[in-house]
Amino acid sequence: DAKTTQPPSMDCAEGRAANLPCNHSTISGNEYVYWYRQIHSQGPQYIIHGLKNNETNEMASLIITEDRKSSTLILPHATLRDTAVYYCIDLGGNNRLAFGKGNQVVVIP
Amino acid sequence: NAGVTQTPKFQVLKTGQSMTLQCAQDMNHNSMYWYRQDPGMGLRLIYYSASEGTTDKGEVPNGYNVSRLNKREFSLRLESAAPSQTSVYFCASSEATGRNGYTFGSGTRLTVV
Repeated sequence: DAKTTQPPSMDCAEGRAANLPCNHSTISGNEYVYWYRQIHSQGPQYIIHGLKNNETNEMASLIITEDRKSSTLILPHATLRDTAVYYCIDLGGNNRLAFGKGNQVVVIP
Repeated sequence: NAGVTQTPKFQVLKTGQSMTLQCAQDMNHNSMYWYRQDPGMGLRLIYYSASEGTTDKGEVPNGYNVSRLNKREFSLRLESAAPSQTSVYFCASSEATGRNGYTFGSGTRLTVV
């Protein structure tokens, strides 16, 4: 079962930054925070991951609070192609991803 | 690179029929996984293989068998298909620790009538 909590859905304006929240109330010290997205029934796509520090790559930025109980995925300039279901996942030593229902993000023109 | 290739993309089975879903990866990954996704749900892990020669049950293994044929290939078999196995099946692979993310295939859409 997924251990993270996300809003079921949210809308974002095209061209604006999209901030996607996630709560990790039971995350343990050796678990990484991972974000994936799934565009309309395609296979999930890896976005970014982190342990304690904030991370940035060509797709997004990841902000993790100091207590690691929450994270925020930031899409800096949302486009219509970013419409997808976004999943935040805690990955521990078993290295097996457990998906929840995710956050259906719709980018609005 | 093709990444993770799944075949077939679509399949319709009658109840009781058997079939094998094929998955192959060309990234030299050690670990491979089979997930299913039902409408409105997240993915659920069926079986995984941490390395060549090993397989383990995931969250929903009943009704399925797997074979890690070699490092590249990981197949999922339905011996006697049931309507409850109607779903979209995704195969994925990762390097051993999973740290650099999983790569997923495009899925097999299976309908059991």
